[in-house]
Amino acid sequence: EAGVAQSPRYKIIEKRQSVAFWCNPISGHATLYWYQQILGQGPKLLIQFQNNGVVDDSQLPKDRFSAERLKGVDSTLKIQPAKLEDSAVYLCASSLGGRQAVQYFGAGTRLSVL
Amino acid sequence: AQKITQTQPGMFVQEKEAVTLDCTYDTSDQSYGLFWYKQPSSGEMIFLIYQGSYDEQNATEGRYSLNFQKARKSANLVISASQLGDSAMYFCAMRPLDQGAQKLVFGQGTRLTINP
Repeated sequence: EAGVAQSPRYKIIEKRQSVAFWCNPISGHATLYWYQQILGQGPKLLIQFQNNGVVDDSQLPKDRFSAERLKGVDSTLKIQPAKLEDSAVYLCASSLGGRQAVQYFGAGTRLSVL
Repeated sequence: AQKITQTQPGMFVQEKEAVTLDCTYDTSDQSYGLFWYKQPSSGEMIFLIYQGSYDEQNATEGRYSLNFQKARKSANLVISASQLGDSAMYFCAMRPLDQGAQKLVFGQGTRLTINP
């Protein structure tokens, strides 16, 4: 069974530029998550989707970050404009949902903002 | 609010020895799940083991076991017979089980190094 796919693996941009990350979850997983992991810290949830709908985006900086999940499968996370403090690894995860569902993570996209 | 504390920034262990990684948590939820993930230098978070707050027995998965002490609010990971490939960051995480949102709250992590 294929795991969570993310691209690109690495991205370097200058501040004030825009960037987009893509995620394809495990087949059949209804729930999709985007986490931000700053160097030296544990991941922090940015947004959770259940199928097409947003369940939790309370920690998403909505003035610059946006995310969508078209047709309840793939998802895109966008940053516009990027700031230096956005340098981090962006991890996508998916799960079947439900009370005890495990979240499975992709390899992440490492973003450097110069 | 939930909080995970991992007090060991780094651990160094000889190959084939057992190692315990500490994790304490704080939550007001009655029903919650505790998770351990491994993050090698490649960056992917790999799920290792899960313990539910109502599970009476400690969880085990191969060489991994979870020492769950509910009264002490601790959920330590035990790795038996450590191998060189166990060198990685290890994260303890938790989430409530009775809510719609399933946000995982992570600790700061422990970097484990296995010496030959």
